[in-house]
Order: sequence, then structure tokens, then C-alpha cells
Amino acid sequence: ETGVTQSPTHLIKTRGQQVTLRCSSQSGHNTVSWYQQALGQGPQFIFQYYREEENGRGNFPPRFSGLQFPNYSSELNVNALELDDSALYLCASSKYNTEAFFGQGTRLTVV
Amino acid sequence: EDQVTQSPEALRLQEGESSSLNCSYTVSGLRGLFWYRQDPGKGPEFLFTLYSAGEEKEKERLKATLTKKESFLHITAPKPEDSATYLCAAKSYNTDKLIFGTGTRLQVFP
Repeated sequence: ETGVTQSPTHLIKTRGQQVTLRCSSQSGHNTVSWYQQALGQGPQFIFQYYREEENGRGNFPPRFSGLQFPNYSSELNVNALELDDSALYLCASSKYNTEAFFGQGTRLTVV
Repeated sequence: EDQVTQSPEALRLQEGESSSLNCSYTVSGLRGLFWYRQDPGKGPEFLFTLYSAGEEKEKERLKATLTKKESFLHITAPKPEDSATYLCAAKSYNTDKLIFGTGTRLQVFP
């Protein structure tokens, strides 16, 4: 059984650019959530996908968008990057309504 | 507004010195209370889920308990490898999102 994997592990982007982060869910999981974790803070919920549909969103602007694919893998897209978007982005997968398992994260630095 | 508060922010222990971490939550209709361990630069690692007041769960040197307003993570005779940030998160019936605290950074010295 494979765990949650995220790619890339590190990324440096310029302000104003766009970025796509990827996540492969743990086998058997149909729900994926994305979180943003700033240094020294707890993770903040961005959104969740269940069976390819968004079914929950946190306080993030529309330039944060996502997709879930039929194999339950997922993407997080961020447009018009700002310096404050620099953070660790975490993907978590679960069976619906059960505990979430996290990937190792993608460290995004916006310069 | 749903909220999770953890204390202390940081804790330094001598190896073998037992202690407890606190997680206070204000959530309308608690669906579950979760504990995670996070090593620097890595994703959170799942430890426990608690569903109702009075419930307790144990794993090696860790024991998690739940009341109607708080959860505690008790660490018995810690070892240096227990050093990490411990995150508490709550989920309510109103939403599927995990609401995290800011964590307790634990350092255990030999």
C-alpha cells in the first residue's frame, strides 16, 4: 500500500507566475484535501475534493483552484503568485469522513 | 467561530521526564479530535482520533484523552526521538475541514 505522495518537493517561483502542485492519494482513498502551512503555524484548510467535486473551501481567494482526477489524484493551482503564498503546501487523503493522511508537502518559495 | 488552541507553544524535557500537552477546542458539534506529529519540513503524521468525551487511546509512550472542551497528549518517559511538533486538529459536523492549532514544539534532551 503506497502512501500520499506530492511533487515537486521544493519549488521557487517569481511573483505573478502560476504554479501547479500534484498529489497522489493513498490507495483506496476517495477524498483529498489541500492545506497551506506558513512557518511556525498550523495548517490552514484550502479546499477538499470528494469524487472529483469540490465539497468544501476555506478562506482562500479564487486564484487558488484545484482538480481531482478519476484515479483520485489531485492538483492545486495557484495563479498570480504573491510573496505571502510562500509556504509548505500539504495534501491529505482519506476515505470519506475518516482520518486524513498527509504527504510530505511541497515547499513553495515566491521571490 | 470554530477554534483550536494549543499550549504550551514550546516544551523542553529531560529524557524520562513525563509531561502533558494541552489542546482546547471550541467547535460546534465535534465530529472528531485528531493528534498529529510533525517533524521539521515534513508532513504531519497521524497519531490518534478521539470521538467522544472520556475516550482514551495509547501508542507506545503517548496517550491521548478527550473531555468536552479539551484534549491532552500525555508523554510518559520521553526519549530524544519523541522531539517534534505535535499538532491537534478538530473537525465539526458542519464542515469536513480540519481546524488545526499552532502546535506544541517538544524537545527532549538526553
